[in-house]
Amino acid sequence: GAGVSQSPSNKVTEKGKDVELRCDPISGHTALYWYRQRLGQGLEFLIYFQGNSAPDKSGLPSDRFSAERTGESVSTLTIQRTQQEDSAVYLCASSQRTSGGELFFGEGSRLTVL
Amino acid sequence: GEDVEQSLFLSVREGDSSVINCTYTDSSSTYLYWYKQEPGAGLQLLTYIFSNMDMKQDQRLTVLLNKKDKHLSLRIADTQTGDSAIYFCAERARDSNYQLIWGAGTKLIIKP
Repeated sequence: GAGVSQSPSNKVTEKGKDVELRCDPISGHTALYWYRQRLGQGLEFLIYFQGNSAPDKSGLPSDRFSAERTGESVSTLTIQRTQQEDSAVYLCASSQRTSGGELFFGEGSRLTVL
Repeated sequence: GEDVEQSLFLSVREGDSSVINCTYTDSSSTYLYWYKQEPGAGLQLLTYIFSNMDMKQDQRLTVLLNKKDKHLSLRIADTQTGDSAIYFCAERARDSNYQLIWGAGTKLIIKP
């Protein structure tokens, strides 16, 4: 597709279950970001991938969160043993360049943990 | 730490000018951005300004930067219903060429 695609768009899960969120970036974009957006708060950086370099995981809030990306393709964000405070919109963005490049966002995956 | 602050809501009448304000803390920011999020869509880059500029104008949009007060504003002239969206301010994080610090977004509400 032409844009960043995220799935699922909505996910409701029970506390303690694992969830996997998927991001399909724009073809050719080497940089990929995951953000978390809580109601009334700014976008919270989670993780950054750039090509085949080691990812910047400094924003992951706990070891329950992990993300993978193979090369410059699809990325998955996994949240294990979900907690109610994990409820948020998870946004993925990709960029053509490392620095100063425009970020292209997906529509997000809304996660609700009951 | 670095922080970006915005009001959560702004209500204006159709045809009036909208001014969305943002304050930031990092005086060494090189780039500051405005992104727009329409209902059901992802964030899209609206405009940006480099820190050596005071003003940037693009059709109905005017960005003003006051570095002394660390204040950024976005003015939308002749506001239309299609301008209804959430507007996010962001600054380039200190010592990073890829991290952005984001505000919470200002929801622009247009009254008829």
